[in-house]
Amino acid sequence: AQKVTQAQTEISVVEKEDVTLDCVYETRDTTYYLFWYKQPPSGELVFLIRRNSFDEQNEISGRYSWNFQKSTSSFNFTITASQVVDSAVYFCALTNGSARQLTFGSGTQLTVLP
Amino acid sequence: DAGITQSPRHKVTETGTPVTLRCHQTENHRYMYWYRQDPGHGLRLIHYSYGVKDTDKGEVSDGYSVSRSKTEDFLLTLESATSSQTSVYFCATGDSLQPQHFGDGTRLSIL
Repeated sequence: AQKVTQAQTEISVVEKEDVTLDCVYETRDTTYYLFWYKQPPSGELVFLIRRNSFDEQNEISGRYSWNFQKSTSSFNFTITASQVVDSAVYFCALTNGSARQLTFGSGTQLTVLP
Repeated sequence: DAGITQSPRHKVTETGTPVTLRCHQTENHRYMYWYRQDPGHGLRLIHYSYGVKDTDKGEVSDGYSVSRSKTEDFLLTLESATSSQTSVYFCATGDSLQPQHFGDGTRLSIL
């Protein structure tokens, strides 16, 4: 069985602060894929990133960065210099290679205050 | 814009009635998915399709059926709606690993 834990239910920061969203996963598979999605207040879901278990390089995309550490089974997401538009629910997800087995975490509600 | 349209966007119905949700895509993606989103559960897969007339069950498929007679349309049917099926339903397209493009969701209330 696989599991994704997002222990932070809600986070509130002031604009321009950096914020890290935690994601801890459990799987017995050696090959797996990790994802982050964003759901803004308007409700739509936006795919942000996909990483496979063989690639532990950190990734940066603008103000977004992801830290993948197999040793701690974590795939954390950092937003640098947060903005009000970053306010959303963020979901981490895991699969062993089949969309049928994609497991989502329960999400972290991020609120960025002006 | 990922070219996914869900209809209806909102629906209120009574227990025991049949309900069909429609997902229409314009990007010719092979894979299509139906998820439900409930507080504290993230998203859970109901059914998915990997081609015309090719579908498979997801984690929470009981009480739901799907059909895909054309590449662009994926229908989700609740044969006899129950209050436990009150949820927000998302259609998505993507590849074999995951959904990548989502519709705007359908808010379904069953009274």
